[in-house]
Amino acid sequence: KQEVTQIPAALSVPEGENLVLNCSFTDSAIYNLQWFRQDPGKGLTSLLLIQSSQREQTSGRLNASLDKSSGRSTLYIAASQPGDSATYLCAVAIKAAGNKLTFGGGTRVLVKP
Amino acid sequence: NAGVTQTPKFQVLKTGQSMTLQCAQDMNHEYMSWYRQDPGMGLRLIHYSVGAGITDQGEVPNGYNVSRSTTEDFPLRLLSAAPSQTSVYFCASSYTWTGSVTGELFFGEGSRLTVL
Repeated sequence: KQEVTQIPAALSVPEGENLVLNCSFTDSAIYNLQWFRQDPGKGLTSLLLIQSSQREQTSGRLNASLDKSSGRSTLYIAASQPGDSATYLCAVAIKAAGNKLTFGGGTRVLVKP
Repeated sequence: NAGVTQTPKFQVLKTGQSMTLQCAQDMNHEYMSWYRQDPGMGLRLIHYSVGAGITDQGEVPNGYNVSRSTTEDFPLRLLSAAPSQTSVYFCASSYTWTGSVTGELFFGEGSRLTVL
């Protein structure tokens, strides 16, 4: 069974520091990996989707890397801002599970002004 | 653009009552799904649909029913509510199935359900 883990569960950084968020998964036979942001009391917003054939994907200050062989993805957020405070979740689409995304538990981020 | 719209946002039920959570999307997405989010359990897939007339079970389907008569709508029915169904429910859609390059998932704002 695919397991997706995000450590740490929470972190706090001063404004301007780069954020590094980790996601690990146990089954490397994936189709893609997606990163989401969730604000309190809100739904999830898609940030980046990385196909299994890709090594990284970039959007503005966000960069996500994927290392399938080691079962890891990292989301980098450059020059963090207080508005980046949210919970970040990763999810993987694995070949054995058809149309199911398996989610990690999320990392709650606080960027202090 | 409305995106994915869920109603109601909040609902309180008594044990044994039934209700329907509504979900509609205006992006012409083929794939739609329902998740529940619980503290310590993360997001878990309840049911999903890959097109009108086609539905399938996810991880935690018991106690829930779905149908997909149109591309736009994917309601979730609670047949006989139980306290264990107290949760936040999210509807999500994507252009194609979630494993594809166009499988980016778009979520609604959520429906918070309490069963007493």
